[in-house]
Amino acid sequence: KNEVEQSPQNLTAQEGEFITINCSYSVGISALHWLQQHPGGGIVSLFMLSSGKKKHGRLIATINIQEKHSSLHITASHPRDSAVYICAVRSNTGNQFYFGTGTSLTVIP
Amino acid sequence: DGGITQSPKYLFRKEGQNVTLSCEQNLNHDAMYWYRQDPGQGLRLIYYSQIVNDFQKGDIAEGYSVSREKKESFPLTVTSAQKNPTAFYLCASRPQGSYQPQHFGDGTRLSIL
Repeated sequence: KNEVEQSPQNLTAQEGEFITINCSYSVGISALHWLQQHPGGGIVSLFMLSSGKKKHGRLIATINIQEKHSSLHITASHPRDSAVYICAVRSNTGNQFYFGTGTSLTVIP
Repeated sequence: DGGITQSPKYLFRKEGQNVTLSCEQNLNHDAMYWYRQDPGQGLRLIYYSQIVNDFQKGDIAEGYSVSREKKESFPLTVTSAQKNPTAFYLCASRPQGSYQPQHFGDGTRLSIL
C-alpha cells in the first residue's frame, strides 16, 4: 500500500470548470506538498502546507491534519493547467518524502 | 537565475555500460536527492545527501551509486548492475529546515539501446 494515495488518476475538464484533486496519506507528516509536472518532465512546487489553507491565483490547497487528507482546487480551469499534479508528504520521523502517483489533468478548450 | 541543472536531457545506454547523470545546483542548498519515476508510479528515492561527503541510500539504491564532493554537485551513476535502468530520473535539492520545499531539475530520460 502506498503511503500517499491520490484521486482521480486521470481527469478531463472543460475550460472554466472547477477542479478538485484529492490526496490521502497514512504517515505522520511535517508538511504536505503539491507539485505540478509538465509534459516535458520538469516539476514545480505549487504549495507547501502544514495546516489550513493556501491560495495562489486560481489555485487553492487545503489540508485536514486529523483526517490526513488534502485537496487541490483549480478555479476557472484553463488549457494551460493541463499537467500532472503530484501530492507529496515529508515524514515527521526523518528526511523521507513520499509521493503519490499523480493526477493527470487535461483541460479542453 | 538560481536553479537545478540536470544533464543530459536524454541519455542512451548500451547493455553492460555505466552511465553518469549530472545534477548541479546554484541555490546553496545543503540537501540533494535523486528520484526515479516510472509510468504509473510515484517518485521513488534512490539516494540523498544532506551534507558534502555524506549520503544515504533510499528505497531503491541497488545498482546505483552517487558522490557528493562539492555542495553544488550530486552526480548519479547507473551501473551495469541495475537491470532495469530505463526510466525518468529527477534530481532535487532543498535548504535545511523542516518546512522548506524541494526544488526539482527538469529530469534526464535514460533508455537502453
